[in-house]
Amino acid sequence: ETGVTQTPRHLVMGMTNKKSLKCEQHLGHNAMYWYKQSAKKPLELMFVYNFKEQTENNSVPSRFSPECPNSSHLFLHLHTLQPEDSALYLCASSQGAGRGFNYGYTFGSGTRLTVV
Amino acid sequence: SQQGEEDPQALSIQEGENATMNCSYKTSINNLQWYRQNSGRGLVHLILIRSNEREKHSGRLRVTLDTSKKSSSLLITASRAADTASYFCATDDRTSYDKVIFGPGTSLSVIP
Repeated sequence: ETGVTQTPRHLVMGMTNKKSLKCEQHLGHNAMYWYKQSAKKPLELMFVYNFKEQTENNSVPSRFSPECPNSSHLFLHLHTLQPEDSALYLCASSQGAGRGFNYGYTFGSGTRLTVV
Repeated sequence: SQQGEEDPQALSIQEGENATMNCSYKTSINNLQWYRQNSGRGLVHLILIRSNEREKHSGRLRVTLDTSKKSSSLLITASRAADTASYFCATDDRTSYDKVIFGPGTSLSVIP
């Protein structure tokens, strides 16, 4: 365990389903992130939250909806996904964020999502 | 366009040999980081080097940074089978708030 816990580890959902991914950290970090990792593509930054406020939305389709109720929890709500959304979704946290930040990320183990 | 790109894409070596991976990036940075990912798992932070640093060591890892060439290298000495993984460089973008961009990675195989 890295200190960042993601659930579920695996998820299979139909295109009309609604599901949520959960991420939790108790490292005292203030920033949390969602990344998408597809086969043979670099990690894609999706969302950034700093002190519960969203500071980055990297042109993510509205069928992905993030929620950050506090600095320790981050959700990714999914609805009407497409098969091409199948990927490994990684959550990460860091002590801080923003220009000049010098903190490494702590990643969770990811949720392997398959859309059928 | 990608901020960081690793080279080579794949590397296969014998246990005990050294492995060198390179990373090139395009814009000015505050820092550059290296991460390791075992198959299908999350990424593990290895080392962070700031833009005013030229070299950094951590155990069997040695990272160099050349900001004039916008490049970095990761050297793993005396490799072990357990080092088999994908290695990614990540850079922030001085012009973009909160954005850290990962390269496509180098897949390292260490043969026992």
